[in-house]
Amino acid sequence: DTAVSQTPKYLVTQMGNDKSIKCEQNLGHDTMYWYKQDSKKFLKIMFSYNNKELIINETVPNRFSPKSPDKAHLNLHINSLELGDSAVYFCASSQEGSYGYTFGSGTRLTVV
Amino acid sequence: AQSVTQLDSQVPVFEEAPVELRCNYSSSVSVYLFWYVQYPNQGLQLLLKYLSGSTLVKGINGFEAEFNKSQTSFHLRKPSVHISDTAEYFCAVNPNDYKLSFGAGTTVTVRA
Repeated sequence: DTAVSQTPKYLVTQMGNDKSIKCEQNLGHDTMYWYKQDSKKFLKIMFSYNNKELIINETVPNRFSPKSPDKAHLNLHINSLELGDSAVYFCASSQEGSYGYTFGSGTRLTVV
Repeated sequence: AQSVTQLDSQVPVFEEAPVELRCNYSSSVSVYLFWYVQYPNQGLQLLLKYLSGSTLVKGINGFEAEFNKSQTSFHLRKPSVHISDTAEYFCAVNPNDYKLSFGAGTTVTVRA
């Protein structure tokens, strides 16, 4: 069983479109995250949710909206996609107090 | 605020040779330190972590790291590398449960 799963794995779309990436974890963790990895492999946190509540929003454009329907899911919706949104997006989860993150395998988003 | 500096962007190394990847951090508070590995086209996998206790931390795949508080360093070492160790390595710092901050990464290329 995959611990943190993301779908889709690849996403190619045109500028201006709206798209969603889904993330699910079956580890029973209470905190979930979205990270963006740019073309230079730099990883930057976008959002973190603890028990469905937004904890961190790292000055991400309003076009990005996370949604956490329950502790096991954290989805990322992106409106009006731009070329600069092309990146690999990673979902992760952790259990409070454990200080260990488990990452998904990533979603490679390409905006053309 | 806290930050992580990985001093080497690329490290070429021959198979069966030792390797050391350097990481320095800056923080005004106690932190927890991590090394992650990213194999080509995959997600991030935890190699090891330092939370407290012994400053020498052993991880998976024969890696170890030493926490040095006076030098604010957390260097990663492996005495003998394999071709399969070719990957991107990330040092990360976590001052609390909700935000893991990464260094820029070190590309390790192992040659026969």
